[in-house]
Amino acid sequence: QVQLVESGGGVVQPGRSLRLSCAASGFTFSNYGMHWVRQAPGKGLEWVAVIWYDGSNKYYADSVKGRFTISRDNSKNTLYLQMNSLRAEDTAVFYCARERLIGDTTMALGYWGQGTLLTVSS
Amino acid sequence: QSALTQPASVSGSPGQSITISCTGTSSDVGDYKYVSWYQQHPGKAPKLMIYEVSNRPSGVSNRFSGSKSGNTASLTISGLQAEDEADYYCSSYTSSSTLGVFGTGTKVTVL
Repeated sequence: QVQLVESGGGVVQPGRSLRLSCAASGFTFSNYGMHWVRQAPGKGLEWVAVIWYDGSNKYYADSVKGRFTISRDNSKNTLYLQMNSLRAEDTAVFYCARERLIGDTTMALGYWGQGTLLTVSS
Repeated sequence: QSALTQPASVSGSPGQSITISCTGTSSDVGDYKYVSWYQQHPGKAPKLMIYEVSNRPSGVSNRFSGSKSGNTASLTISGLQAEDEADYYCSSYTSSSTLGVFGTGTKVTVL
């Protein structure tokens, strides 16, 4: 069955960097677009970034553009989110999510991980 | 890219029907069929309930239905049940440089 397992969250000081990972299994990872979505404590969902199935295209929310980088290693079935210049307002649970269909990028996120918590605080 | 607008809360009694609206612009909801809806119970990951405006993934109850008119999409839950109490979010593909946007979220309460 499809499994997405995020890791790498924790407590980090403002201005520092951190990389999140999402290990995928149960499907052919290289066939699907992948997203990062975050949710600040007690708040709603915020779309963060997407990467095409082959890594050829990447898009970001305005709030993270220039600071976050999404990438993937299809040989390792792993999605990444490199986060630089972290701010207190980046504190959130970060979810990785898979597009519903092969090759598509339609914002239909059919599978989600359990999330990893990032806390940015001094 | 601003979040799509949803009512903060909607409530109904068991067996009733409720509708949640999701208002965007001609650059997102109004211009694309790629509107999705998600259900999220407390402490859990979101679950896809509707994709491409009105399609249900396998395993989702047919009590959930979606539609769109102009810049506003809607999710209707018929035959409301206690298990439907959750937060609901819409999302849309967008022509802006960001590609994706979620709604502000709606808390559904079953009275």
